[in-house]
Amino acid sequence: QKEVEQNSGPLSVPEGAIASLNCTYSDRGSQSFFWYRQYSGKSPELIMFIYSNGDKEDGRFTAQLNKASQYVSLLIRDSQPSDSATYLCAVMNTGNQFYFGTGTSLTVIP
Amino acid sequence: ETGVTQTPRHLVMGMTNKKSLKCEQHLGHNAMYWYKQSAKKPLELMFVYSLEERVENNSVPSRFSPECPNSSHLFLHLHTLQPEDSALYLCASSESGTDTQYFGPGTRLTVL
Repeated sequence: QKEVEQNSGPLSVPEGAIASLNCTYSDRGSQSFFWYRQYSGKSPELIMFIYSNGDKEDGRFTAQLNKASQYVSLLIRDSQPSDSATYLCAVMNTGNQFYFGTGTSLTVIP
Repeated sequence: ETGVTQTPRHLVMGMTNKKSLKCEQHLGHNAMYWYKQSAKKPLELMFVYSLEERVENNSVPSRFSPECPNSSHLFLHLHTLQPEDSALYLCASSESGTDTQYFGPGTRLTVL
């Protein structure tokens, strides 16, 4: 079983819609969760991190964490073509080891 | 200059060459990392240095040799690489070994 799993996509949404990206993890004791955005040919850049159950909002981005179900999601409201990228989920497990998912490719259609 | 920088940005080398990748962080962090990113695979953690000591080596082949002379600089020495080693090599740093990591722009390596 992989430490972190994401649907590779591609996920396509029309401009202005809500994009929903999901991630599941295997280590129930994991404490820290991160979302990175990676444009083609570029390095990952941190968008958000979340530690506590519930929602965390930052502008158009909302991270949602459900530790009981072992999933973390990222919602992008009012999606823009500039949001088109690969979104990487990363989890720090109980051993303080950092694992990345394979990423979900998002395309926002104008 | 700010953030995490890496040089060179692109490197093409033959299997018998010896080359080095350089990473420098200007964030005052105490931990630095080397990752390998290949197409359609998750980021692979290669090496971690925390307070200049190597704390994790995920069974990386010996043809990759890291060096961390101080908390701001990290090198990856390459020798007798294989074509399957062609990938994007990313450096990252964090304040401590358990904090958010910030990535450099990467070195795109091609082994012929």
